[in-house]
Amino acid sequence: GEDVEQSLFLSVREGDSSVINCTYTDSSSTYLYWYKQEPGAGLQLLTYIFSNMDMKQDQRLTVLLNKKDKHLSLRIADTQTGDSAIYFCAEAGSFILTGGGNKLTFGTGTQLKVEL
Amino acid sequence: DVKVTQSSRYLVKRTGEKVFLECVQDMDHENMFWYRQDPGLGLRLIYFSYDVKMKEKGDIPEGYSVSREKKERFSLILESASTNQTSMYLCASSVKHTYTDTQYFGPGTRLTVL
Repeated sequence: GEDVEQSLFLSVREGDSSVINCTYTDSSSTYLYWYKQEPGAGLQLLTYIFSNMDMKQDQRLTVLLNKKDKHLSLRIADTQTGDSAIYFCAEAGSFILTGGGNKLTFGTGTQLKVEL
Repeated sequence: DVKVTQSSRYLVKRTGEKVFLECVQDMDHENMFWYRQDPGLGLRLIYFSYDVKMKEKGDIPEGYSVSREKKERFSLILESASTNQTSMYLCASSVKHTYTDTQYFGPGTRLTVL
């Protein structure tokens, strides 16, 4: 089945850039997502990228997609303490849900810690 | 703004109790999902529903059941809670037949089974 992998932890200093990486196995992925989970909260959609794109920029966030290597990354510029959270990568792959829509497969999440 | 709400943020139950977790969304979404989140395992799909009274098993349905009597409400039921069901439970919803399959999540219910 589909698999999505992320490293579990990342620590950066405030003001530096953070790069969170993700690899996936399903070559039929249509969309790939980044979600953010703040402590004690649910998941909040940060951004997504269509599989025929290789880059998407949204303010401090840059998503890079290398479809050949099945590698997705999220770069956060000028990282702030408010960016401390768990970041989940997810892909909409080839498994079609009954009734329509793609099943999302989530990675394990990367805990980002921003130090002063 | 899409809003997904869950009935409790924190819940403590005893082994063997029947537990109901409720989820409500206000955006007329067809699809609704229940996940559990455990450290190092990410999110795992328990059940989903694509219409009223319709449900499909996800990856880890054992020990759980669901109910969807109204479009906006999706309930997760633990018939006889066990300690290995201690976890964070997340509900999500999405619109069917869109390009992006974006799922919108509730705040989660942290369930502890003693």
